[in-house]
Order: sequence, then C-alpha cells, then structure tokens
Amino acid sequence: NAGVTQTPKFRVLKTGQSMTLLCAQDMNHEYMYWYRQDPGMGLRLIHYSVGEGTTAKGEVPDGYNVSRLKKQNFLLGLESAAPSQTSVYFCASSYAGLAGTYSYNEQFFGPGTRLTVL
Amino acid sequence: GIQVEQSPPDLILQEGANSTLRCNFSDSVNNLQWFHQNPWGQLINLFYIPSGTKQNGRLSATTVATERYSLLYISSSQTTDSGVYFCAVELRDNYGQNFVFGPGTRLSVLP
Repeated sequence: NAGVTQTPKFRVLKTGQSMTLLCAQDMNHEYMYWYRQDPGMGLRLIHYSVGEGTTAKGEVPDGYNVSRLKKQNFLLGLESAAPSQTSVYFCASSYAGLAGTYSYNEQFFGPGTRLTVL
Repeated sequence: GIQVEQSPPDLILQEGANSTLRCNFSDSVNNLQWFHQNPWGQLINLFYIPSGTKQNGRLSATTVATERYSLLYISSSQTTDSGVYFCAVELRDNYGQNFVFGPGTRLSVLP
C-alpha cells in the first residue's frame, strides 16, 4: 500500500494563478482532510470530507475549494493564488468506526506539498 | 472554539535523558492523537489514545479525558527523537468529524 500520496511535492505560483493539489489514498478510508502548516505553527484544517460527494469547511476555508468525486481522491483548488497562501499543505485520511465505547478515527498523513506564491 | 495547548514550547535534552510533554484541551473531545514531525517535515503517527495509557518502545502516552489532558513520555532520548511533537484532538460537529492541532513542542536532542 502506498498510503496517502500527494501531487505535486513542490510548486511555485504567481499571484492570481490557479492550481489543483491532488490527494490520493489506497486504504479505502471514508474521511479525508486538507490542512495547511505555516512556519513554526501547527496544522490548521482547511476542508474535510466524510464521504464521496460530500465536503465541509474547516477552520480556514477562505480562498480554497475542494471536491471529492471519487472515494480515493480529494482535490484542493486555489482559484486565484495569493502570497498569504504560501504554506505546506498536508492531506490526511482516516477510517472511522467504533472501538468499544469510543469512535475510532485515526488520521494518516501524506508527505505534504510545499507551495510558494510570489 | 476549543483551545489546545502544549507545553513546553521548546525542550533541549542531552541524549539519554527522559522527558514529558503535555497537551491540555479546553473541552471534551472524542479522541486524541500524538504525532512526531521529523526534520524533513514528515508527520509520523505515534499514538491514537482517547483514554488510558499506551506504550511503544521508549515512548508512552497517557490521556485523562475527564481532566482534559494528555502526556507523552520519551525515555532514553536519542538524536533521532528531535523534531516537533503535536497533539491533535478530534471534535465532532453536526456534519462529521475534524481535528484541532496544538502548536507543538519542539524537541532537540543533543549528542
């Protein structure tokens, strides 16, 4: 199993350009997530999906759109990139179920995409 | 919204020393994970620990959900333990589930 993969690994954009980041997982997980990590900070949730065809906003959704047309893929789009979107983007996936009295939802992360917007 | 705090923010150890990292959260959560982000930026799962205690080699973790904290213990530290340690708590909203990360503890282990 490849786990969670992200494409591309690096990208440089000019202000106003658009791009799509691709996340793919081969673990048959229902839930997928997009985070951004700025220097010296923790991860912040952008959008997430609890199943094919569904998406929801996280903590910092502005300026981003997502789609989950297939269970194994979660796309993150930037329609008009801004320098404030320079960051490292991480995708994660999880299988949600029950373990005793608790819900089980362990996240697994991809290697990240380093995006620079000039 | 929920607040997640980690302490200490920075920690410098000599190889072989032990340490305890703490994660406090301000509200009830469903679950909690500990991650290690290595110097190359990769996020490595350490523990998935909604409650109780788990051990994996030199690392162990304890979560006391009723008191809203979790502890990560590192014994006999090695230089490869260097990096940033994050805790992440799982919220449950009306639609589904999502996580909130703490700011991290940066650990440097010196040879």
